[in-house]
Amino acid sequence: GEDVEQSLFLSVREGDSSVINCTYTDSSSTYLYWYKQEPGAGLQLLTYIFSNMDMKQDQRLTVLLNKKDKHLSLRIADTQTGDSAIYFCAERKDSNYQLIWGAGTKLIIKP
Amino acid sequence: DTGVSQDPRHKITKRGQNVTFRCDPISEHNRLYWYRQTLGQGPEFLTYFQNEAQLEKSRLLSDRFSAERPKGSFSTLEIQRTEQGDSAMYLCASSLGLAGPTSSNIQYFGAGTRLSVL
Repeated sequence: GEDVEQSLFLSVREGDSSVINCTYTDSSSTYLYWYKQEPGAGLQLLTYIFSNMDMKQDQRLTVLLNKKDKHLSLRIADTQTGDSAIYFCAERKDSNYQLIWGAGTKLIIKP
Repeated sequence: DTGVSQDPRHKITKRGQNVTFRCDPISEHNRLYWYRQTLGQGPEFLTYFQNEAQLEKSRLLSDRFSAERPKGSFSTLEIQRTEQGDSAMYLCASSLGLAGPTSSNIQYFGAGTRLSVL
């Protein structure tokens, strides 16, 4: 995951918004993804954004994309205890559809 | 067919033994990927297939590793002469790969096989 960077931890209070940030390096990536991983489970796709968009909203999730700065963020509104997980940002290499991953951000919910 | 399935979920082996993992993708998906994930890291790409053809292999895939997808459906990943450094979660994903960069080509993951080499 050396091409994609994320903070390792984020701690928020239940009910607040969580914002998880990611920077990537390949400006030609056409798709960027957010996946969620709970303990002992596989990777679950949360949402994705095409590079010609700057925002995508899906219920409590909002993705913002700044192509100029190669910055991607995931906002989770009204964070709940069930949102506790590791969140991975990934960019897609169009040459072979390989995903390049960040190291993941562990979201910790405080009561 | 509810998703990607991997077998076994856990494998404990002694150093030097061979192990084989299986992945059954979502049935209509033509692309299949193998990744490796170690603790505290994101997944690392190992290899991918389009139908039965193995199109790319990472330099992480040493000659002790081999993957097959004989009929373009399920795939196997074999590790020969396992080493302690092979201990990791091995993840399989599949996607419906349509031509062109505008295809979302979403990869759906199985729960993984956790390998422990003693």
